[in-house]
Amino acid sequence: EAQVTQNPRYLITVTGKKLTVTCSQNMNHEYMSWYRQDPGLGLRQIYYSMNVEVTDKGDVPEGYKVSRKEKRNFPLILESPSPNQTSLYFCASSRFDFNGQFFGPGTRLTVL
Amino acid sequence: AQTVTQSQPEMSVQEAETVTLSCTYDTSENNYYLFWYKQPPSRQMILVIRQEAYKQQNATENRFSVNFQKAAKSFSLKISDSQLGDTAMYFCAFMKHSGGSEKLVFGKGTKLTVNP
Repeated sequence: EAQVTQNPRYLITVTGKKLTVTCSQNMNHEYMSWYRQDPGLGLRQIYYSMNVEVTDKGDVPEGYKVSRKEKRNFPLILESPSPNQTSLYFCASSRFDFNGQFFGPGTRLTVL
Repeated sequence: AQTVTQSQPEMSVQEAETVTLSCTYDTSENNYYLFWYKQPPSRQMILVIRQEAYKQQNATENRFSVNFQKAAKSFSLKISDSQLGDTAMYFCAFMKHSGGSEKLVFGKGTKLTVNP
């Protein structure tokens, strides 16, 4: 089954404790991306990657890091989480023709 | 920077009727994609329809169709024969296609309720 998986689905952590949210896709997609969704703000792109070892900033990259060492994986790293990073996070992937971007199920992150 | 505006925070429609959701965008680009996504209460993001800017023909997917007006920078979504399962948040999104900078920008969404 074609899918994008994210782990964990729910996470409660404390300020300053480094965390990683994993994202993996099994469709051999070139394009992968991370978004955060906040009430009243819609979805905002954090980082995206066009292919292995190629990443670029979206609209809200501050406080986040990503890496793309393998085509299927695109982890999101929060080196020192802060309460303003409490949000719902989505990973997504697609082919280069963008004929359908597949989204993961979301990760609900709470930073205390 | 590109912006996407959805001017209707909430809408409602009776089952089996037709509803149109509005979306406008601001860009100086000529080559881009436009999307409508649906987010039901499960929070899963589902692609509804996609339009390539160079194509003049409006995209359709079963009961969903768009009215793409490139000069007016307008991209509305029409849902025909509305069903209870269409109740969801709907997001309009823009992506510039420039061979190396494919950022995706979303509107703030329209909450659609289909009433029985």
